[in-house]
Amino acid sequence: AQTVTQSQPEMSVQEAETVTLSCTYDTSESDYYLFWYKQPPSRQMILVIRQEAYKQQNATENRFSVNFQKAAKSFSLKISDSQLGDAAMYFCAYRSWAGGGADGLTFGKGTHLIIQP
Amino acid sequence: DAGITQSPRHKVTETGTPVTLRCHQTENHRYMYWYRQDPGHGLRLIHYSYGVKDTDKGEVSDGYSVSRSKTEDFLLTLESATSSQTSVYFCAISKGQTGNTEAFFGQGTRLTVV
Repeated sequence: AQTVTQSQPEMSVQEAETVTLSCTYDTSESDYYLFWYKQPPSRQMILVIRQEAYKQQNATENRFSVNFQKAAKSFSLKISDSQLGDAAMYFCAYRSWAGGGADGLTFGKGTHLIIQP
Repeated sequence: DAGITQSPRHKVTETGTPVTLRCHQTENHRYMYWYRQDPGHGLRLIHYSYGVKDTDKGEVSDGYSVSRSKTEDFLLTLESATSSQTSVYFCAISKGQTGNTEAFFGQGTRLTVV
């Protein structure tokens, strides 16, 4: 079974600064997807970014980018120019490609991101 | 927005009573999921469905059952609620025929068992 580890229960950053959230995972598969989800106090789960394992290029979405290191099984999220609205829980998630939709997402335990004004 | 609606949004129930949570989607996606979220655990898969009347167990399925009689509705039932089932429950869908893409989530249901 796959596991996802987020080693930082909480992170704090000054507004406009850059912060990196860590995620490592364990799998024996070669094809899979990785995701970062944001959960603000509203409780809604919002997809931030996705990465296909077969792609060497790191995914980016505006101020959000990832550092995907497949050999190291590492998938960190970098948030540039942090804004107050970025304050939330962030979850790293893994999905097997081979299992198709039959495999749900495997989540890490989350990192609580605090933005200091 | 994947058109997912969960009901109710909040519920308080007594130990031993049956509870049914409903997930409704408007886009006829094949794959639907139920997760629970607990502090210190992230989200964990309870059950999933890959079509009408086609369901299977996830990681934490004990004490739960599901049904899908229509493409758009996926029901989660706690036959006899226990305090350990106090949690936030999320419904999700995955798009496409294979479903092995990102998941889109409903707003969540906070269930308290007293």
